Amino acid sequence: GESVGLHLPTLSVQEGDNSIINCAYSNSASDYFIWYKQESGKGPQFIIDIRSNMDKRQGQRVTVLLNKTVKHLSLQIAATQPGDSAVYFCAETANFGNEKLTFGTGTRLTIIP
Amino acid sequence: GAVVSQHPSWVICKSGTSVKIECRSLDFQATTMFWYRQFPKQSLMLMATSNEGSKATYEQGVEKDKFLINHASLTLSTLTVTSAHPEDSSFYICSARPLAGAQETQYFGPGTRLLVL
Repeated sequence: GESVGLHLPTLSVQEGDNSIINCAYSNSASDYFIWYKQESGKGPQFIIDIRSNMDKRQGQRVTVLLNKTVKHLSLQIAATQPGDSAVYFCAETANFGNEKLTFGTGTRLTIIP
Repeated sequence: GAVVSQHPSWVICKSGTSVKIECRSLDFQATTMFWYRQFPKQSLMLMATSNEGSKATYEQGVEKDKFLINHASLTLSTLTVTSAHPEDSSFYICSARPLAGAQETQYFGPGTRLLVL
């Protein structure tokens, strides 16, 4: 069946460095993508989203890149801080979110002080 | 704005008992609420989609008679785990989609940790 997967389950980055978290998806009908941050024992927190008619979107210290040709999504976090340590999930849906979300497996990001 | 709460935040119960978890949208009305389950070190798995005033739609493999969902108002959905067993121990998370505004957005609750002894 369709799946959303992540290449790396864990990632350690030195504080102040940039981090890149990758995600591959397989549903060609997906047209809306979201990155979530989940801290231990908490619900997912929205970080940034992107629609399929875009290939890049920037927020505060975060950038999402979408490559529809290879069905790949990435989250870049600039100048990482200790508070960025968490598990990051990509999620995708079709029909601009009117369909259910499918979550990827998650990447644990650890910021090394 | 766009806050979703869950109650309780954690619960411990004996095997065979039922547990009710509430999901509330505090400052917006939600046409649709979703219930997810998350096992340790795993991703969120959608259990069911709940629409106000209608029966929930369950994902494949989720027993509707075991996980009862009621969506009685535009701000409240409940999940009842009936005859809970240790394998039902998990982190249950709800999300809510607003009635107005960006329809693609889902706002997540803080989760409820269930431990069945």
